[in-house]
Amino acid sequence: KNQVEQSPQSLIILEGKNCTLQCNYTVSPFSNLRWYKQDTGRGPVSLTIMTFSENTKSNGRYTATLDADTKQSSLHITASQLSDSASYICVVGLNTGGFKTIFGAGTRLFVKA
Amino acid sequence: GAGVSQSPSNKVTEKGKDVELRCDPISGHTALYWYRQRLGQGLEFLIYFQGNSAPDKSGLPSDRFSAERTGESVSTLTIQRTQQEDSAVYLCASSSRSLAASYEQYFGPGTRLTVT
Repeated sequence: KNQVEQSPQSLIILEGKNCTLQCNYTVSPFSNLRWYKQDTGRGPVSLTIMTFSENTKSNGRYTATLDADTKQSSLHITASQLSDSASYICVVGLNTGGFKTIFGAGTRLFVKA
Repeated sequence: GAGVSQSPSNKVTEKGKDVELRCDPISGHTALYWYRQRLGQGLEFLIYFQGNSAPDKSGLPSDRFSAERTGESVSTLTIQRTQQEDSAVYLCASSSRSLAASYEQYFGPGTRLTVT
């Protein structure tokens, strides 16, 4: 069964600290993996996209890693800011010739002053 | 340029009524997706369009849900005889044809549906 599991479910950190969010997937055939940020009441916004051959991708203070062998990805946030408080969603795309994607349930991050 | 837009932004309806939710994708985007997000939960795939056809309707929860797309542009998600469990945010996303960008889905702000 194609699944994307994220951990932790929620996380509270102090402003300025770093954190790492995890994503494990059992999706086949794998095409790509994306991390999205979703602010409360808004649609998700893409942070990074990685294909099978990429094992790291950065976007400012966000760095995503991908291990296609172990089917794991992580999103590392450096020097967190209050505006980083949001849900972070891991999404895996299937290589089925279409646009089928499997969404994780997300990690809810709270950054406190 | 303009992003994905959805209307209405909020909709309150009585149980049993029909509702129509609209999505205007980014101009030129060939793929369009509908998702449902219940309060505090992850996104649930409903349907996607490639052009005006829907190759994958597997996520539609019941025959009360239907969607159409015309002119490879606007899409409408219709929920008939709404039930309270239909209350959720309905998100639309679009994606372009180009090789690199085809992996990217651009989301609209969503329509918050409340069934009373």
